[in-house]
Amino acid sequence: RKEVEQDPGPFNVPEGATVAFNCTYSNSASQSFFWYRQDCRKEPKLLMSVYSSGNEDGRFTAQLNRASQYISLLIRDSKLSDSATYLCVVNSAGGTSYGKLTFGQGTILTVHP
Amino acid sequence: NAGVTQTPKFQVLKTGQSMTLQCAQDMNHEYMSWYRQDPGMGLRLIHYSVGAGITDQGEVPNGYNVSRSTTEDFPLRLLSAAPSQTSVYFCASSRAPRGGTGELFFGEGSRLTVL
Repeated sequence: RKEVEQDPGPFNVPEGATVAFNCTYSNSASQSFFWYRQDCRKEPKLLMSVYSSGNEDGRFTAQLNRASQYISLLIRDSKLSDSATYLCVVNSAGGTSYGKLTFGQGTILTVHP
Repeated sequence: NAGVTQTPKFQVLKTGQSMTLQCAQDMNHEYMSWYRQDPGMGLRLIHYSVGAGITDQGEVPNGYNVSRSTTEDFPLRLLSAAPSQTSVYFCASSRAPRGGTGELFFGEGSRLTVL
C-alpha cells in the first residue's frame, strides 16, 4: 500500500459545481497535512494546511479524519481557474524530529464552462 | 524577489553523460531539497539539506550527488545519466526543518531527457 494515495481522476466538473477529493495515508503517526496545487507544467504551490479541527479558506475547505486516516479537500462554486492537479502531502514521523514529507500522485481537476 | 531559481529549464543528455542542475534561493532558508516528478508517481525526494555543509539522502538517491557549500546554493549532479533519470526535477526550500511544518517553495522545474 502506498504511503499516501489519491484518486488520480480526472475530475471533470462544470463551473459552479462542488467537488471533493479524498486522500488516504497509511502511517498513523503522521503529524501534519497539506494540500498543494500544481498547474500544468508548473511547480507545486501550497494551497492550504489541514488542521485537526478542519479549516476553510474562501471556497476551499480541508478536513482531517485521523480515525480513518484520510484528509479531504472540498471546492465550492468551482471556477475555470481551479483547473489544476491537487497534491496531498503528509508529514510522517521519521527517524529524526524533522519527519518525512510524502506526496500523493495528485488528483487532476478540470473545470469546464 | 526571485525565490527559488533553477537552471537549466530544459536539458537533453545522452546515456553516460554527466551534468549539474543548479538551484539557488534568496530567502535565507536552511532547508533545501531536490525532488523528481514522474507520471503516476508523485514527487519523490532525492536528496535534502538542513543547512550549509549538511546533506542527506532521500527516497531515491542513487545516481545523484549533492553538496551544500553555502546557504543559497544546492546543486544536483547526475554522475552518469541513464534513461531512467528522464524526469522533471524540482528544487524546493523551506524555513522549517525538512519542510515539515512549513511551506515548501519550489523552483520552476528542470525537464531532463536522457536518450
